[in-house]
Amino acid sequence: AQTVTQSQPEMSVQEAETVTLSCTYDTSESDYYLFWYKQPPSRQMILVIRQEAYKQQNATENRFSVNFQKAAKSFSLKISDSQLGDAAMYFCAYSSNNNDMRFGAGTRLTVKP
Amino acid sequence: DSGVTQTPKHLITATGQRVTLRCSPRSGDLSVYWYQQSLDQGLQFLIQYYNGEERAKGNILERFSAQQFPDLHSELNLSSLELGDSALYFCASSVSTLDGNTIYFGEGSWLTVV
Repeated sequence: AQTVTQSQPEMSVQEAETVTLSCTYDTSESDYYLFWYKQPPSRQMILVIRQEAYKQQNATENRFSVNFQKAAKSFSLKISDSQLGDAAMYFCAYSSNNNDMRFGAGTRLTVKP
Repeated sequence: DSGVTQTPKHLITATGQRVTLRCSPRSGDLSVYWYQQSLDQGLQFLIQYYNGEERAKGNILERFSAQQFPDLHSELNLSSLELGDSALYFCASSVSTLDGNTIYFGEGSWLTVV
């Protein structure tokens, strides 16, 4: 079964600084997708960024970028120029054509002013 | 606004009761997913439907059931409710592989069992 592991229950960053959230996953499939979702205090689940496993280039969305290491099965999220509004729970997720989407346990990010 | 609509937004009910949560997926999305999130917990996958058929099953209790109707809306039925069933229940939808398997979440239905 596919598993997603987020080893950092909590992280904190100073406003305007950069932070990296870690995620590893386990799969035997070669074609799959990886995601980061953000859950602010409102509890709404918001898609932050998506990576297709067949793409070598790391995905980027404004201040958010990923470091996708397929061989290591690692998918970290880097947030640059952190803002107070980035404070949230961040979930890493895995999905493939043969499976539903599975989530990690989440990392709670605190942004200090 | 993700385009996924869930009702009701909040629900308080007593132990032993039965409730139905409703979800309307985004226009054109064929897949519907249900997730449960207890307080300060991660998301537990319950079940997925694709175009009316059950496609995947996760940690869904036997007291829970779901279905997807011909118009693609879905309902999650929770029966013989226990205090531990109190949680935020998310519905999500996707157009499947055409959109890189991205799923879009509704705002959730808060269920409190007292």
